[in-house]
Amino acid sequence: AQSVTQLDSQVPVFEEAPVELRCNYSSSVSVYLFWYVQYPNQGLQLLLKYLSGSTLVKGINGFEAEFNKSQTSFHLRKPSVHISDTAEYFCAVTENSGYSTLTFGKGTMLLVSP
Amino acid sequence: DVKVTQSSRYLVKRTGEKVFLECVQDMDHENMFWYRQDPGLGLRLIYFSYDVKMKEKGDIPEGYSVSREKKERFSLILESASTNQTSMYLCASSLWGDEGLFFGPGTRLTVL
Repeated sequence: AQSVTQLDSQVPVFEEAPVELRCNYSSSVSVYLFWYVQYPNQGLQLLLKYLSGSTLVKGINGFEAEFNKSQTSFHLRKPSVHISDTAEYFCAVTENSGYSTLTFGKGTMLLVSP
Repeated sequence: DVKVTQSSRYLVKRTGEKVFLECVQDMDHENMFWYRQDPGLGLRLIYFSYDVKMKEKGDIPEGYSVSREKKERFSLILESASTNQTSMYLCASSLWGDEGLFFGPGTRLTVL
């Protein structure tokens, strides 16, 4: 079985500061990893995903994430955040074979203030 | 773009009522999912379906059932709504596991 841990429930930052949202996963097999964003009163939107190959993946809105197999991590980063990045961010994992479902972390609320 | 629509954005029901939440996707996706989202608990999988008339239990199926009579439509049914089913319900669809999920806007259900 797979699991995801998002270490921070809330991350407050000032506008234009860098941010890192942490995600660790657990699985006995190879995985695909995803980051989703949820703006207030909306559904989830895919930010980026890691399937294979380069461990640094770039997504929408200037976000990127790095897959680290030895540390079983997939942290999300942005070098300079905007007020509009205020949202909840979810990390998710699925096994890369067969009919495996997506398992989500509990989410990290990113709060960007001026 | 994939579009996943849910029949209601907000719904208020009374304890004991039978509740239907409808979800429709327009991209011919094989797979459809129902999650509930609660503060501090993230998203938890209720039921999913890999094909028409096929369903599989997720992590928290108790108190729920589903129906998939057509490929594009996946319904979540609360047979007898209870207050602990007050939550945000999110429907999603996908084609393959490496594509990730496409989500609808959600239905915020309040059971009084």
